[in-house]
Amino acid sequence: NAGVTQTPKFQVLKTGQSMTLQCAQDMNHEYMSWYRQDPGMGLRLIHYSVGAGITDQGEVPNGYNVSRSTTEDFPLRLLSAAPSQTSVYFCASSYTPGLAGGPGDTQYFGPGTRLTVL
Amino acid sequence: RKEVEQDPGPFNVPEGATVAFNCTYSNSASQSFFWYRQDCRKEPKLLMSVYSSGNEDGRFTAQLNRASQYISLLIRDSKLSDSATYLCVVSTPDSNYQLIWGAGTKLIIKP
Repeated sequence: NAGVTQTPKFQVLKTGQSMTLQCAQDMNHEYMSWYRQDPGMGLRLIHYSVGAGITDQGEVPNGYNVSRSTTEDFPLRLLSAAPSQTSVYFCASSYTPGLAGGPGDTQYFGPGTRLTVL
Repeated sequence: RKEVEQDPGPFNVPEGATVAFNCTYSNSASQSFFWYRQDCRKEPKLLMSVYSSGNEDGRFTAQLNRASQYISLLIRDSKLSDSATYLCVVSTPDSNYQLIWGAGTKLIIKP
């Protein structure tokens, strides 16, 4: 199993450009999420999905769109990049979102995408 | 006040020593608690869940204190490989069980 894969690993954008960060998992997890990690701050949830065709906003959704057409894939789109979106982006998947504290809640992360917006 | 707070450190500890750090959470309705480990420029990985009765996994012990709203992580006989940032994670029904992440405590084990 590859686990959770993300592409690209690094990306530099100019302000106003758009792009899609790819995320895929081969563990048949229903729950997938996108986080951003900034220095001195905890991971912040951008968007999440509880299954194919179902997405919802997290804590910091502005400027980002997601879709979930299959169980495996959960791409994140930056609509018009801004310097404030410079960050490390992690995609994660799990069986459950954190309901019971058991093994099903374990979040499996991709290796991350380091994005710089100039 | 942040929902989940951690001392950012770094904690500089000699190899073989015991080290402990806490994480406080603000929502008394918090239900699930975890410790994740993150190596430099890598993704977080689950270290252990924290159960109400406390739990131990080898050299690592996690405790939950609901009355004072904190969880703790104790590392015994620390190894150089324990150097990492330790992330405290909490979920609550109020947030639709979304995970709330602390900013992490950096641990450096010195030979």
